[in-house]
Amino acid sequence: SQQGEEDPQALSIQEGENATMNCSYKTSINNLQWYRQNSGRGLVHLILIRSNEREKHSGRLRVTLDTSKKSSSLLITASRAADTASYFCATLIDYKLSFGAGTTVTVRA
Amino acid sequence: DAGVIQSPRHEVTEMGQEVTLRCKPISGHNSLFWYRQTMMRGLELLIYFNNNVPIDDSGMPEDRFSAKMPNASFSTLKIQPSEPRDSAVYFCASSPRGLYGYTFGSGTRLTVV
Repeated sequence: SQQGEEDPQALSIQEGENATMNCSYKTSINNLQWYRQNSGRGLVHLILIRSNEREKHSGRLRVTLDTSKKSSSLLITASRAADTASYFCATLIDYKLSFGAGTTVTVRA
Repeated sequence: DAGVIQSPRHEVTEMGQEVTLRCKPISGHNSLFWYRQTMMRGLELLIYFNNNVPIDDSGMPEDRFSAKMPNASFSTLKIQPSEPRDSAVYFCASSPRGLYGYTFGSGTRLTVV
């Protein structure tokens, strides 16, 4: 079963714009992770935020976590055509990592 | 490090045949996971190994599916007999410890006709 739900399902933006996607989940977690999947490829780990953290940055990525609302957001700043991919949030409970359905991001040149 | 290595990349087989998918995790990672991805069901965890021992196989859909990890550097997922509804992309992932990010392989795209 999917623990996380991403919103929106799809996003189309112009190169240089920011992309924001959200994730909601249902139960308490150890940490929340974001992954990227390019078409026909495996998933690539982007960033991990622990349950006691509120915000984390990695390059052009910014992740927030609100455990009271059971939600997270991923912001990609100054998007590039190479950012075109599907993005998944995944919640870790004990050892089990459960993925949402993903947000498909298309960056237009 | 070459990352998580899966083979084959693509497999087309006839219904009823046995299929074996292979995975080599990253050296030193003691957690290994098998996932299945389909359009309808998304990414599903099939089985989790820790230190070569199966910890949770509750995601394995049926007795037709079995997985083994005979040593720290090799795991297999077997489907016998295969059915068309098993068509999916199967991913193997490994992690140094359960609370860290996972490294995924490139997947095996299985088509059962």
